[in-house]
Amino acid sequence: GAVVSQHPSRVICKSGTSVKIECRSLDFQATTMFWYRQFPKKSLMLMATSNEGSKATYEQGVEKDKFLINHASLTLSTLTVTSAHPEDSSFYICSARRRGGGPDTQYFGPGTRLTVL
Amino acid sequence: SQELEQSPQSLIVQEGKNLTINCTSSKTLYGLYWYKQKYGEGLIFLMMLQKGGEEKSHEKITAKLDEKKQQSSLHITASQPSHAGIYLCGAAVRGGGTSYGKLTFGQGTILTVHP
Repeated sequence: GAVVSQHPSRVICKSGTSVKIECRSLDFQATTMFWYRQFPKKSLMLMATSNEGSKATYEQGVEKDKFLINHASLTLSTLTVTSAHPEDSSFYICSARRRGGGPDTQYFGPGTRLTVL
Repeated sequence: SQELEQSPQSLIVQEGKNLTINCTSSKTLYGLYWYKQKYGEGLIFLMMLQKGGEEKSHEKITAKLDEKKQQSSLHITASQPSHAGIYLCGAAVRGGGTSYGKLTFGQGTILTVHP
């Protein structure tokens, strides 16, 4: 089956530093990857859509300079949280849509828990 | 924008009991997805429904989409501790271009099953 990995699974950093999270589709090509954020006991909030070879599309209210997205290849997208602050602490989940597939071919990564001290 | 409302927000049942989780949309659903999530982990795809009146089953879990395509229910028969987790319904966002493939989610239902 389709597998999506995220790295790291857990990261703790100091306030003011930048953190990079990787999302990889391991056995398929993903032209589109989505980045979500989830607060404790809350649902997933879509942050941005990452398209290979083009700029990411951000949802309303999400700062693009704060959350930098790079979709360098058909199997890798990265989310960089710049100058992280404690309020950025959250669970970040990516999903990858199989090339040529619809929403039902969207596969989710295991998530990355970010804690900013 | 489309909003999904799930009920109940949390549910505690005894092992062996049946249960139902509902997902109501503010707009017509063109694709309704059910996922399960263990706390601190990714989402596991359960089922997708597209047609009005459609019903799908997988093991002890059955999902239905009503005829008007604005409400879906997820029913678990003879619940087990392994069913515990967060159940999320997601709706495909209508539209092409940068909207294609987007999903919006309900707030989730936390299910606890006591042995």
